[in-house]
Amino acid sequence: GAVVSQHPSWVICKSGTSVKIECRSLDFQATTMFWYRQFPKQSLMLMATSNEGSKATYEQGVEKDKFLINHASLTLSTLTVTSAHPEDSSFYICSAVVPRGPAEQYFGPGTRLTVT
Amino acid sequence: GENVEQHPSTLSVQEGDSAVIKCTYSDSASNYFPWYKQELGKGPQLIIDIRSNVGEKKDQRIAVTLNKTAKHFSLHITETQPEDSAVYFCAAGRPGQNFVFGPGTRLSVLP
Repeated sequence: GAVVSQHPSWVICKSGTSVKIECRSLDFQATTMFWYRQFPKQSLMLMATSNEGSKATYEQGVEKDKFLINHASLTLSTLTVTSAHPEDSSFYICSAVVPRGPAEQYFGPGTRLTVT
Repeated sequence: GENVEQHPSTLSVQEGDSAVIKCTYSDSASNYFPWYKQELGKGPQLIIDIRSNVGEKKDQRIAVTLNKTAKHFSLHITETQPEDSAVYFCAAGRPGQNFVFGPGTRLSVLP
């Protein structure tokens, strides 16, 4: 299957600082990527849809000024958590859509963010 | 919008037995139903999927069935092994678009 990577795999930051998470499709070009957040023992909650070359579409209740998404190329989308607070601590996962064939969605390995 | 329910929330089986996880969806426009396996601290891994024009799909020990009329689909794992222990998520949507995920099933295969 297609490979999606995320960097970093885990990060600890202080409250009030910003953190950038990268999502890359390694062996295919993805015009669409999704960003999810997952709290312990819960399901994946969609935060936003990232389309290459256009503004991201955010789900209701997700602050677009706090969670900045940039999809500058067909293989890279970034999520920046600005002015992070402890309640932003979570597992952030991206996925990318393979544009050809059945358009399956493949997930990255996730990034564990801890805000102290 | 779409709403996906999943049962059971936890499932324990003996090694070698079968495991069945069931999901229901609400939006009749959904036509793509993937299943993902998530191990602790990792991202979800696509294990099998089915489209609405197919009633059943099988891949070795894993099979998925779909009943469009009743709006439910199921994951079947036969001859379970300890490495099958994980959280399994069903999802519903359309290819290339956002999915709505079920709440997950924690499967434990006991040796």
